[in-house]
Amino acid sequence: GIQVEQSPPDLILQEGANSTLRCNFSDSVNNLQWFHQNPWGQLINLFYIPSGTKQNGRLSATTVATERYSLLYISSSQTTDSGVYFCAGNNDMRFGAGTRLTVKP
Amino acid sequence: NAGVTQTPKFRVLKTGQSMTLLCAQDMNHEYMYWYRQDPGMGLRLIHYSVGEGTTAKGEVPDGYNVSRLKKQNFLLGLESAAPSQTSVYFCASRRGQRLGPTNEQFFGPGTRLTVL
Repeated sequence: GIQVEQSPPDLILQEGANSTLRCNFSDSVNNLQWFHQNPWGQLINLFYIPSGTKQNGRLSATTVATERYSLLYISSSQTTDSGVYFCAGNNDMRFGAGTRLTVKP
Repeated sequence: NAGVTQTPKFRVLKTGQSMTLLCAQDMNHEYMYWYRQDPGMGLRLIHYSVGEGTTAKGEVPDGYNVSRLKKQNFLLGLESAAPSQTSVYFCASRRGQRLGPTNEQFFGPGTRLTVL
């Protein structure tokens, strides 16, 4: 299976700041998806984005499939954005190790 | 529409005991997955299935068996539980490539398993 690398592993922000999370794949990827795991352990779908750009409120994502990476942008961060962000892809949906985001008030 | 459900939510086993975790989905999805998540770690794929009657190994299949006898159910079995299998187990499902352009994976709430 493909290898998925996420960066940075940890991120601490002040409320209101912007951030960019990155996901790199070792090979071509399809079915790329971003998830947020909240502090209660629930996994929430953010974006299904095999290619192109999508936006949902303060969050947006861009996937450049030919270069095997995807970016997740969080603008005007809020404390409720805290948690772990994962990306995953392909039929077997392998996950990266995640980016742990802490937003301080 | 319940989505993806997992049974049980919590379980404590003694070393050597066996158990089966049940995952059910009511979205008519083709693909189903079992993951484990250890504290502070990402999700690791145990087994997955691309359709009724089919299963495939993931990253960490040893010590687990699975069955997909019905499309809506995916069972994960531990034949002889070990303390190293203490983890949170997540099930997920996905529509399948040929059934439309949107192919999101949806997760169940998880099962917290402790092996003493």
